Amino acid sequence: DVVLTQTPVSLLISLGGQASISCRSSQGLIHSNGNTYLHWYLQKPGQSPQLLIYQVSNRFSGIPDRFSGSGSGTDFTLKISRVEPEDLGVYYCLQRTHNPNTFGAGTKLELK
Amino acid sequence: EVQFVETGGGLVQPGKSLKLTCATSGFTFSTAWMHWVRQFPDKRLEWIARIKDKSNNYATDYVESVKGRFTISRDDSKSSVYLQMNSLKEEDTATYYCTTQNWEGAFDYWGQGVMVTVSS
Repeated sequence: DVVLTQTPVSLLISLGGQASISCRSSQGLIHSNGNTYLHWYLQKPGQSPQLLIYQVSNRFSGIPDRFSGSGSGTDFTLKISRVEPEDLGVYYCLQRTHNPNTFGAGTKLELK
Repeated sequence: EVQFVETGGGLVQPGKSLKLTCATSGFTFSTAWMHWVRQFPDKRLEWIARIKDKSNNYATDYVESVKGRFTISRDDSKSSVYLQMNSLKEEDTATYYCTTQNWEGAFDYWGQGVMVTVSS
């Protein structure tokens, strides 16, 4: 199975600051159809995961442009600029290029 | 508004069975590919099952750890997806979410989750 390694495990960020989360895959995530099915989620306390970014760099409906995704191959990054209180929670990456689909272990974003 | 409501969770003894239901509304269920994802107490997420739509013969797929024990099914007339869980083990203890995938291959909408605890 594909292993997604997220770093760091936790982040302490000041309000208004910038956060960067890495997701490294044990295999390349380019599908045979040319798409890269690497997605990012935020799980706020007591809630279900919510989709932020799909296919590496596309923001889902209603997601502010403070969130941006980048990367290719096996290395991917989620950046959150101007961190706000509602950004706190656990961030997960998910790959759906290979079966079975697998998630990273999560990165907890907390306020400094 | 898209809504998913999962029910059927609870406390069950090892070796027993449980059936989860996810009732949906607010989107065209009949053409959606539906999935179940679970979250263990340590917060790890695991994809466990998928069922395609009628045009794809309701094809199913499972993660290895539940193959032969869990069965995903759907009823398009009720806009619902199900997860029959047999021979439950303590390691199946988790919160179970139903979700659907969008055209871009991401799980876009999720239910609120239902807890399953397997313990004697």
